[in-house]
Amino acid sequence: EVQLVESGGGLVQPGGSLRLSCAASGFTFSDHYMEWVRQAPGKGLEWVGRTKNKANSYTTEYAASVKGRFTISRDDSKNSLYLHMNSLKTEDTAVYYCASHGGPAAAGKVFDYWGQGTLVTVSS
Amino acid sequence: EIVLTQSPGTLSLSPGERATLSCRASQSVSSSLVWYQQKPGQAPRVLIYGASNRATGIPDRFSGSGSGTDFTLTISRLEPEDFAVYYCQQHGSSVPLTFGGGTKVEIK
Repeated sequence: EVQLVESGGGLVQPGGSLRLSCAASGFTFSDHYMEWVRQAPGKGLEWVGRTKNKANSYTTEYAASVKGRFTISRDDSKNSLYLHMNSLKTEDTAVYYCASHGGPAAAGKVFDYWGQGTLVTVSS
Repeated sequence: EIVLTQSPGTLSLSPGERATLSCRASQSVSSSLVWYQQKPGQAPRVLIYGASNRATGIPDRFSGSGSGTDFTLTISRLEPEDFAVYYCQQHGSSVPLTFGGGTKVEIK
């Protein structure tokens, strides 16, 4: 069974930093692109960014709203994905999901697997 | 960035009725369009990919159509468990992937 479990959310002041983690199991993590998607309270979904797999040089890509402030990394030996968030703003308040694709043809395109999400609140 | 506009924002229907949800893209995404369902407190779930292909385990009352800029998700007969929020998502361009603003299907 595929499982994605996020952790690390919490309350942080504007300008602060936080690191989210996503522990994966039930699939070959190292083969997969891994994504972060967020959802502000009562709002829609927003793609945050991704890290591709080793075969694609672990290339990372980001939404314009977080580029330069957020960094995505992965540790294939630990089946783990990370989101390092710096210079946080109140508008970054959201539930953060890690997500991934099912079959290889869906890499970077369709999010078949989702975690339960972790809430990040940026407030003074 | 490709903008996806979903309409209507809210759809009020009764169980057994037909639901028609629209998603319009600001430029062509070919058939690179996905539909998700999200229930309160849950992560989204894939319903349709490639504009018209049902994901594994999705009932055949869900169908998708369209290509280019105009897409439709149809639920032929609403079941109680279908009342939820539906999002479209495109991957026609490289990045960023974008989502529509969502359509809430609520019980009338």
